[in-house]
Amino acid sequence: DAGVIQSPRHEVTEMGQEVTLRCKPISGHNSLFWYRQTMMRGLELLIYFNNNVPIDDSGMPEDRFSAKMPNASFSTLKIQPSEPRDSAVYFCASSFRSGANVLTFGAGSRLTVL
Amino acid sequence: AQSVTQLDSQVPVFEEAPVELRCNYSSSVSVYLFWYVQYPNQGLQLLLKYLSGSTLVKGINGFEAEFNKSQTSFHLRKPSVHISDTAEYFCAAMNQAGTALIFGKGTTLSVSS
Repeated sequence: DAGVIQSPRHEVTEMGQEVTLRCKPISGHNSLFWYRQTMMRGLELLIYFNNNVPIDDSGMPEDRFSAKMPNASFSTLKIQPSEPRDSAVYFCASSFRSGANVLTFGAGSRLTVL
Repeated sequence: AQSVTQLDSQVPVFEEAPVELRCNYSSSVSVYLFWYVQYPNQGLQLLLKYLSGSTLVKGINGFEAEFNKSQTSFHLRKPSVHISDTAEYFCAAMNQAGTALIFGKGTTLSVSS
């Protein structure tokens, strides 16, 4: 299994531009999570999908952020328009929904907004 | 109060010395507890987990952790560290709804020779 695949690994963009981060979860996993990691705030849960349906998006910072999961093998996190304070590492993780979620993380997408 | 608190942001140790990374959790989370490790420029990897049963949990790379309900702690230990253990370590707990993990802010373990 190739694990959780994220792209791009690095993204540098200018303020105001649209950013799309992509994630392919592990085949067979039915839960998908987007986390954001910054020095100041650590790892924050942004949104959680179960069976492709968004269950909890209370961590999404504002309307500029949106996430979709059109099928079991693909999810996107979009920021439009991007701002410098969005600079962070964004992680996607997946798990098989059970009584105790053991998450498998992707390698992350490092976003820099100038 | 934070749901998961890692008491030390940085822990420097010498190679072959023992190490303990401290983690406390609050009543706002469940007692499904985890430790993850993050090596530079990589994602997080599961070290070990406590779900129930024996309070001493053994994980990969010689790490172990002890669940202490009375002290609401889940400290991570290794009797003898290697240079290769240098990484960021995250303690995590499942939320009460059982839907997602809440992470501590991480502890940077730096092992030098």
